[in-house]
Amino acid sequence: AQSVTQLGSHVSVSEGALVLLRCNYSSSVPPYLFWYVQYPNQGLQLLLKYTSAATLVKGINGFEAEFKKSETSFHLTKPSAHMSDAAEYFCAVRINTGTASKLTFGTGTRLQVTL
Amino acid sequence: KAGVTQTPRYLIKTRGQQVTLSCSPISGHRSVSWYQQTPGQGLQFLFEYFSETQRNKGNFPGRFSGRQFSNSRSEMNVSTLELGDSALYLCASSLGGDPYEQYFGPGTRLTVT
Repeated sequence: AQSVTQLGSHVSVSEGALVLLRCNYSSSVPPYLFWYVQYPNQGLQLLLKYTSAATLVKGINGFEAEFKKSETSFHLTKPSAHMSDAAEYFCAVRINTGTASKLTFGTGTRLQVTL
Repeated sequence: KAGVTQTPRYLIKTRGQQVTLSCSPISGHRSVSWYQQTPGQGLQFLFEYFSETQRNKGNFPGRFSGRQFSNSRSEMNVSTLELGDSALYLCASSLGGDPYEQYFGPGTRLTVT
């Protein structure tokens, strides 16, 4: 069965520091992977997606993620954190259930950015 | 293009009542999915509609139902509300094919008292 695991429910970084949010996947077939961000009292916004075209994926707001098959990972990074990056981040995998698809989400990582 | 819209944004209901939530997808999107988000269970898939047909369903009781109209707008209904149904209900739309990129609405915050 396809699934994703996010390591660390809370991550705290200083403004200007590197952001690293971890996601590992489990899939018997090449996966489609996504990162979403959720700001307080809002829905989810798509940050980036991996669809097997390129292993390094660039997204919005300076975020990027690298697909590493050997490590079954799809970690999200940003070189320099901004206060506005404080939010909850979700990794998701597309699950194909035959004639339909759905996204299965990780448990989320709350990012705190401090001065 | 306008994004996914959900109405109402906030709702307070009493146990035993029923509720209907509405979702308007992005123009041209034929797939609408519903998710329940709670602090304890996280994001859980409810169901997906595509071209007015339910083609995928999560593990929720029959009190949770939905439908999709010919213009792709969707509604979900919860009957006989329980306290545990208090959650943020998120709707997401997509074109329906690979890679199944979904766009989410702001959600409806349901509180059951």
